[in-house]
Amino acid sequence: GDSVTQMEGPVTLSEEAFLTINCTYTATGYPSLFWYVQYPGEGLQLLLKATKADDKGSNKGFEATYRKETTSFHLEKGSVQVSDSAVYFCALNRGETSYDKVIFGPGTSLSVIP
Amino acid sequence: DVKVTQSSRYLVKRTGEKVFLECVQDMDHENMFWYRQDPGLGLRLIYFSYDVKMKEKGDIPEGYSVSREKKERFSLILESASTNQTSMYLCASRQQGAVRGTQYFGPGTRLTVL
Repeated sequence: GDSVTQMEGPVTLSEEAFLTINCTYTATGYPSLFWYVQYPGEGLQLLLKATKADDKGSNKGFEATYRKETTSFHLEKGSVQVSDSAVYFCALNRGETSYDKVIFGPGTSLSVIP
Repeated sequence: DVKVTQSSRYLVKRTGEKVFLECVQDMDHENMFWYRQDPGLGLRLIYFSYDVKMKEKGDIPEGYSVSREKKERFSLILESASTNQTSMYLCASRQQGAVRGTQYFGPGTRLTVL
C-alpha cells in the first residue's frame, strides 16, 4: 500500500542554518504531495504542496520539489528561524477518487536554537 | 478566514466512560475526518464522512463511532473509553471534489483516559 517515510527526528539547528528534512514515498500512479506543519499546541496547517512531477511547492521560505524518479519530496529552507520550531509532516494523496485517503509520515520535530 | 474548531483542548476521562469529541467547520465543506496522533506513528485515520449522515471507516475504527447529522458538525464517540485511547485527536475538513486539495485541521483535543 501507499506509504510515506520521513527522516528520524528530532532535528536541532542553530538559527540561520540550512534545513533539509527528507521524505520519500511509495505509491501507485501520480499522487499529490504535501508538507504540513504543526506548531506547538496547534493543529496541522498546510505548508506547501505539489501535484505533479517536477513541480516545486514553496511558502514562507520553505521549498520542496516533487521528484518522481527518486520518489522524494524533501523539504528545504536556506535559513531557519526560531519561529520555525515545529513538527513537520510529509503526506501524499493519490487523489483518484473521493475515497482516497491522505497518508501521513510520522513527523519530524525541528528545534531551532538562537 | 477558514476555521475548524474542536470542543475541548484538553479532556480527562475515566475508563469506561462514554466520551464525545465535537468538531465544527465554517467552510461549508462536505468532507470531514477524525485522526488520532501518537508519537512516532504520525496521524492515523479513524473515520471520515463525505456528506451528512455518511460515514466510512478509516484505518483504526475499533472502539470508536461517529455522527454527522449536520454538514458543519462531525462528532467522534468513544463508547467505553480505555487507557489505550489516550491520545491527541485531530479533526479536519476538505472541500468535496478537491481530492488533491488541502485538509484544514482543528487545534486538536488531548484526551487522557485514567
